[in-house]
Amino acid sequence: EIVLTQSPGTLSLSPGERATLSCRASQSVSSSYLAWYQQKPGQAPRLLIHGASSRATGIPDRFSGSGSGTDFTLTISRLEPEDFAVYYCQQYGNSPWTFGQGTKVEIK
Amino acid sequence: QVQLVQSGAEVKKPGSSVKVSCKASGGTFSSYATNWVRQAPGQGLEWMGGIIPVFGTTNYAQKFQGRVTITADDSTSTAYMELSSLRFEDTAVYYCARDLYCSPTSCTPRPMDVWGKGTTVIVSS
Repeated sequence: EIVLTQSPGTLSLSPGERATLSCRASQSVSSSYLAWYQQKPGQAPRLLIHGASSRATGIPDRFSGSGSGTDFTLTISRLEPEDFAVYYCQQYGNSPWTFGQGTKVEIK
Repeated sequence: QVQLVQSGAEVKKPGSSVKVSCKASGGTFSSYATNWVRQAPGQGLEWMGGIIPVFGTTNYAQKFQGRVTITADDSTSTAYMELSSLRFEDTAVYYCARDLYCSPTSCTPRPMDVWGKGTTVIVSS
């Protein structure tokens, strides 16, 4: 099973600042089948990024993903008020699918 | 546009079973895998398993093997997740989500791009 470790656990930032979230895999993620999701309280997760770096439909370009192999990054270039949420990475290249434990982006 | 509509909240006693449904509307059901992901209160996301209706095949996380059964009814575009021998720690929100796309000959990995709104299951004595 591929274990995904996200860091930091919590990121305290102000609107307008840049957020950098990390996701590290215990083994190489096949063909960069790595996704990022955003989840707000009481809501289902929403797909942001797939294939490590492709934005999902309707996702603003302030969200970007990068990385390959075992190290992946989600960057939010300038935080908007609606971006404060929990973010999860997930690999879908090797069964069982696994999620990271999440990074909470909170208002400083 | 595909939507996944889940059944309503459940309260169950320890040792009993729960069956949650997930009905797809607005798109092709059988060619996509339907997964079940749960989230305990204040915790992260946990993949439980999935089904590919076009092949009738299932895949379960080892943690839930023997306790979870995922089925699908093509005629109603509905997937089901049944969890048995419920414990207090099974209290969670259960989501269905679509990913893998399969043609008759092969499957293409896809992220979970469509999610249901979730079904709350509370296990309480």
